[in-house]
Amino acid sequence: AQRVTQPEKLLSVFKGAPVELKCNYSYSGSPELFWYVQYSRQRLQLLLRHISRESIKGFTADLNKGETSFHLKKPFAQEEDSAMYYCALRPYGNKLVFGAGTILRVKS
Amino acid sequence: NAGVTQTPKFRILKIGQSMTLQCAQDMNHNYMYWYRQDPGMGLKLIYYSVGAGITDKGEVPNGYNVSRSTTEDFPLRLELAAPSQTSVYFCASTTETGWDTGELFFGEGSRLTVL
Repeated sequence: AQRVTQPEKLLSVFKGAPVELKCNYSYSGSPELFWYVQYSRQRLQLLLRHISRESIKGFTADLNKGETSFHLKKPFAQEEDSAMYYCALRPYGNKLVFGAGTILRVKS
Repeated sequence: NAGVTQTPKFRILKIGQSMTLQCAQDMNHNYMYWYRQDPGMGLKLIYYSVGAGITDKGEVPNGYNVSRSTTEDFPLRLELAAPSQTSVYFCASTTETGWDTGELFFGEGSRLTVL
């Protein structure tokens, strides 16, 4: 079965510190992976997708097929990064499987 | 553009009551989705539609029904509410191209409590 695991419910870091939000997936095929973000009082929105290998708002994520991971990283956290982050897997067809989410709190 | 609009935002139901969660989008998106999110869990797909007149079940369709008579609207019906349906419900939409890139547009969510 396809599954996405985000092991941390809450990650709290100081401003300027590095951030790594963990995401592990289980899927036997070739996965497509995404990170979504929900800022306070805003809607859930796409942050980045692995296939484009882009950096958005300073965040990057590398797909590691050997470790079945897609961790989200940022070298220097900003207060405006505080939000709920969801990792999502698209195995096939019209399904998008979400993890439980991690709350990122950036303290000043 | 209002984007994806969900109503109501909050609702309390008694066990056995029925209700419809409304979802409308004004972006001419063909693809629409209903998800539910239980506390501490990821979003789970209830139903989806790839166009007017076409609907299909997701992971957790039991206890729900949908219809898609127009491109704009995708209502979710709960016929006999049960406490297990207490959740936050999200509607989302996208185009076929948007789906290819993973970009879903979400509504603000509807919080439903069944007592």
